[in-house]
Amino acid sequence: EAGVAQSPRYKIIEKRQSVAFWCNPISGHATLYWYQQILGQGPKLLIQFQNNGVVDDSQLPKDRFSAERLKGVDSTLKIQPAKLEDSAVYLCASSFYRNTGELFFGEGSRLTVL
Amino acid sequence: TQLLEQSPQFLSIQEGENLTVYCNSSSVFSSLQWYRQEPGEGPVLLVTVVTGGEVKKLKRLTFQFGDARKDSSLHITAAQPGDTGLYLCAGASGAQKLVFGQGTRLTINP
Repeated sequence: EAGVAQSPRYKIIEKRQSVAFWCNPISGHATLYWYQQILGQGPKLLIQFQNNGVVDDSQLPKDRFSAERLKGVDSTLKIQPAKLEDSAVYLCASSFYRNTGELFFGEGSRLTVL
Repeated sequence: TQLLEQSPQFLSIQEGENLTVYCNSSSVFSSLQWYRQEPGEGPVLLVTVVTGGEVKKLKRLTFQFGDARKDSSLHITAAQPGDTGLYLCAGASGAQKLVFGQGTRLTINP
């Protein structure tokens, strides 16, 4: 079974530039999550999708971050414009069940904002 | 807002020693998960505990959920270099989102 795929693995940009990350979850997993993990901290949920609908985006900085999962499968997370404090690993995860059960994580996309 | 505090944040010990890491909260959770994350990878689930007082064993790892379902511990016996990593606890409560602790970074020295 293929795992959660993320790209790119690494991205370096200047502040005020934009960046997009892509995630393809495990086949059949209806729930998809985007987490932000700053160095030395635990993952923080940015947004949770159930199929193509948003379940929770309360911690998403909506003035600069956006995410979509148009067809209920893969998802894109965009940051525009980026700030220095956005430097982090962006983890995508999927699960079969909503809010319970195991989360399967991708390897993450490491963003450095200079 | 539900918070999970993990302690210690950093732990470096010699191979063969035993250790315990803790995950505490003032909130009650319906279930609690432990993940291990290695550098450059995403977290991988080790165990889920759901019943107060529950103890689960995974080879040399023993996980316990507190009676009141507010805390949990992870005990490793005879630690090995392969146990090195970031250990994360994560709690879920009803319809609330899964909340992660800040992690315990464990280093086992040969």
